[in-house]
Amino acid sequence: GAGVSQSPRYKVAKRGQDVALRCDPISGHVSLFWYQQALGQGPEFLTYFQNEAQLDKSGLPSDRFFAERPEGSVSTLKIQRTQQEDSAVYLCASSPDITGELFFGEGSRLTVL
Amino acid sequence: GENVEQHPSTLSVQEGDSAVIKCTYSDSASNYFPWYKQELGKRPQLIIDIRSNVGEKKDQRIAVTLNKTAKHFSLHITETQPEDSAVYFCAASRRNYGQNFVFGPGTRLSVLP
Repeated sequence: GAGVSQSPRYKVAKRGQDVALRCDPISGHVSLFWYQQALGQGPEFLTYFQNEAQLDKSGLPSDRFFAERPEGSVSTLKIQRTQQEDSAVYLCASSPDITGELFFGEGSRLTVL
Repeated sequence: GENVEQHPSTLSVQEGDSAVIKCTYSDSASNYFPWYKQELGKRPQLIIDIRSNVGEKKDQRIAVTLNKTAKHFSLHITETQPEDSAVYFCAASRRNYGQNFVFGPGTRLSVLP
């Protein structure tokens, strides 16, 4: 595709539900990042993939958060047993290599009631 | 790990005036410093970046300066226009090591007509 695509754009979940957020990076991009952006804040790093390898997951806030990129392209961020504090925009970004700029998707806005 | 601070948090200028946003970083090994513009409800978009081997870069009305010794970099927007109104984020990264980007908290710029 022309850009990074994320789905769903909006997700409302009841507390305790599991959610899955999908990211389609730009074709051929090696690096893929997930960020969490709370209202009025800057993006906070969650995790980073280089191809299918998850090289850094130090930003994942708890073991309820899990990300995968099994074939080195599409990535899924899964949040189990959602809590209200998980409400945020989840941004995916990709980069053509380890030296290039980030291209962001539009984000998935998660609201946990 | 890297820590990025950004000032001011909000900035209002009259149309046609200049705007300056400043960021400091903590990791002397960081070598890539992008600036992103985010309009309400939209994805962050790269507007300019600078690598540590140069001290200044300019693109039309936008310029970025970098002081490696002091570990700070600044965004300069001249002849501001209402469409420049947005939130601006700075970031720092050790690119070519595949490191993640650490973002500042953002500056909300309002250009008053």
